[in-house]
Amino acid sequence: QSALTQPASVSGSPGQSITISCTGTSSDVGGYNYVSWYQQHPGKAPKLMIYEVSNRPSGVPDRFSGSKSGNTASLTISGLQAEDEADYYCSSYTSSSTLPNWVFGGGTKLTVL
Amino acid sequence: QVQLVQSGAEVKKPGASVKVSCKASGYTFTSYGISWVRQAPGQGLEWMGWISAYNGNTNYAQKLQGRVTMTTDTSTSTAYMELRSLRSDDTAVYYCCSGDDAFDIWGQGTMVTVSS
Repeated sequence: QSALTQPASVSGSPGQSITISCTGTSSDVGGYNYVSWYQQHPGKAPKLMIYEVSNRPSGVPDRFSGSKSGNTASLTISGLQAEDEADYYCSSYTSSSTLPNWVFGGGTKLTVL
Repeated sequence: QVQLVQSGAEVKKPGASVKVSCKASGYTFTSYGISWVRQAPGQGLEWMGWISAYNGNTNYAQKLQGRVTMTTDTSTSTAYMELRSLRSDDTAVYYCCSGDDAFDIWGQGTMVTVSS
């Protein structure tokens, strides 16, 4: 299956808001509410930030929010902080099999100016 | 605490096989599936496949079909991923992660280097 499409990079100043898009098809993002977002700092394992499109795991700041419209999901980070600088990946359940099957986006590098 | 602990780094020659382990603790192992995800140097995340820790059902990414096998040992709460016929482009950090709706727990990663 093809990877989901994310912008390669985004940037913002401390305190500002940014949005990262994640575009798929009706077989993945558009067909299921199982879109999740992961934050990865260099040399570290990814960390779940959003699950089921818009839900935050315990401990994730409410500055992070998720949404979906059609075949495109979005991650918004408000009140940017220096520690938010990282790579972000979206992921979606996909229907290419009757068993669990997932696809990731290519990743977006967030730079906090 | 809830965690997944993976085996150590491996260096393999092209054509060889590698088997990476992932030991779960802090939760009921059979309650969630385990996925394996890899990340080549400087690249993004790639989903490799999933195994049900409950009944052993598996589903592999199409590009790895025939070269990858995922298993579990419920007596030790450990998942395994074996990749055969290794090539240089299999060089990557391999992660196990648990969850069926999303990957909420990740192992620390295992670096596999394929080099002659």
